[in-house]
Amino acid sequence: AQSVTQLGSHVSVSEGALVLLRCNYSSSVPPYLFWYVQYPNQGLQLLLKYTSAATLVKGINGFEAEFKKSETSFHLTKPSAHMSDAAEYFCAVSLTGGFKTIFGAGTRLFVKA
Amino acid sequence: DGGITQSPKYLFRKEGQNVTLSCEQNLNHDAMYWYRQDPGQGLRLIYYSQIVNDFQKGDIAEGYSVSREKKESFPLTVTSAQKNPTAFYLCASSPGDSYDEKLFFGSGTQLSVL
Repeated sequence: AQSVTQLGSHVSVSEGALVLLRCNYSSSVPPYLFWYVQYPNQGLQLLLKYTSAATLVKGINGFEAEFKKSETSFHLTKPSAHMSDAAEYFCAVSLTGGFKTIFGAGTRLFVKA
Repeated sequence: DGGITQSPKYLFRKEGQNVTLSCEQNLNHDAMYWYRQDPGQGLRLIYYSQIVNDFQKGDIAEGYSVSREKKESFPLTVTSAQKNPTAFYLCASSPGDSYDEKLFFGSGTQLSVL
């Protein structure tokens, strides 16, 4: 069965610092991987997705993620944090799309001035 | 603008009462979903529908019911059998025709018990 683990329920960085949010997955076959962002009291929106075309995936708002099969990881990074990046981030894994999408528990990112 | 509309934004339920959360989409998507979000637990699937007049239970369907009479609408009823209904409820949709498709989300309904 597929699953996804996000390391760290809360991450705090200073404005301008590197953002690193960790995600590890478990799947018997290469999955499709997603990062979603949720701002307070809103729904989720897609940041980026991995579909095997390239291991380094660039998303919106300067975020990117690298798929590492040997480490079963799909960590999300951004070189320089901005106050507007403060939100909750969810890693998700899917084998067959839609209803088979499994979400991690989420990581809340705090950005300090 | 195409999107998903959830209403109301806030809802309060009394003991023994059924309440219905609305979800409407104008994206012409075949598939629709309901998720429950609790702090620190991510999103858990309640029900999903891949086509009109058909729906399936997700991981935590007990105490909930749905209908899918129209392509654009997928209302969720939280029944009195759901003993811990306080949560943030998210409706989502997707085209339903590819394995790598993303989910489109509404802005959610916060349900609380009086």
